[in-house]
Amino acid sequence: AQSVTQLDSQVPVFEEAPVELRCNYSSSVSVYLFWYVQYPNQGLQLLLKYLSGSTLVKGINGFEAEFNKSQTSFHLRKPSVHISDTAEYFCAVSESSGTYKYIFGTGTRLKVLA
Amino acid sequence: EAQVTQNPRYLITVTGKKLTVTCSQNMNHEYMSWYRQDPGLGLRQIYYSMNVEVTDKGDVPEGYKVSRKEKRNFPLILESPSPNQTSLYFCASSSFGRNEKLFFGSGTQLSVL
Repeated sequence: AQSVTQLDSQVPVFEEAPVELRCNYSSSVSVYLFWYVQYPNQGLQLLLKYLSGSTLVKGINGFEAEFNKSQTSFHLRKPSVHISDTAEYFCAVSESSGTYKYIFGTGTRLKVLA
Repeated sequence: EAQVTQNPRYLITVTGKKLTVTCSQNMNHEYMSWYRQDPGLGLRQIYYSMNVEVTDKGDVPEGYKVSRKEKRNFPLILESPSPNQTSLYFCASSSFGRNEKLFFGSGTQLSVL
């Protein structure tokens, strides 16, 4: 069985500062990794995903994440945040064997301060 | 426009009164799924479907039913809703393989009194 841990429930950061949102996972099988963003009163949308290959993945809106197999982590980073990045961010995994059973973390609420 | 459409957006009901939340996608996706979102718990998968007439339980299926008679539709049925099913529900769909990416609906806020 897989599990996903997002240790930070809330992260406040000033505008134009860098940010890192942490995600650790546990799985006995190979997994795909995802970051989704949820803006207020909206559904989730994909930021980026890691399936295989380069461990540094670039996504939309200037976000990137690095897959670290030894530390079972997939932290999300952005070098300079904007007010519009205020949202809730979810890390998720699914088995790479193709069961399509997704496990989501509990989410990290990013609040960008002016 | 590619989208997943859920209805209704908001629903208030009473304990025991059967209800259905509809979900439809226009992207010809094989995979569809339902999630509930609760504060501090993130999203938890209720049911998913790999194709027409193929459904399987997620992590929290108790009290819910689904059906997949057509590729585009995946309704969520609460036969006898209870207050602990008050939650924000999301439907999502995806294609398989390298294009795997969940497209989410806008959500249904359900309150069971």
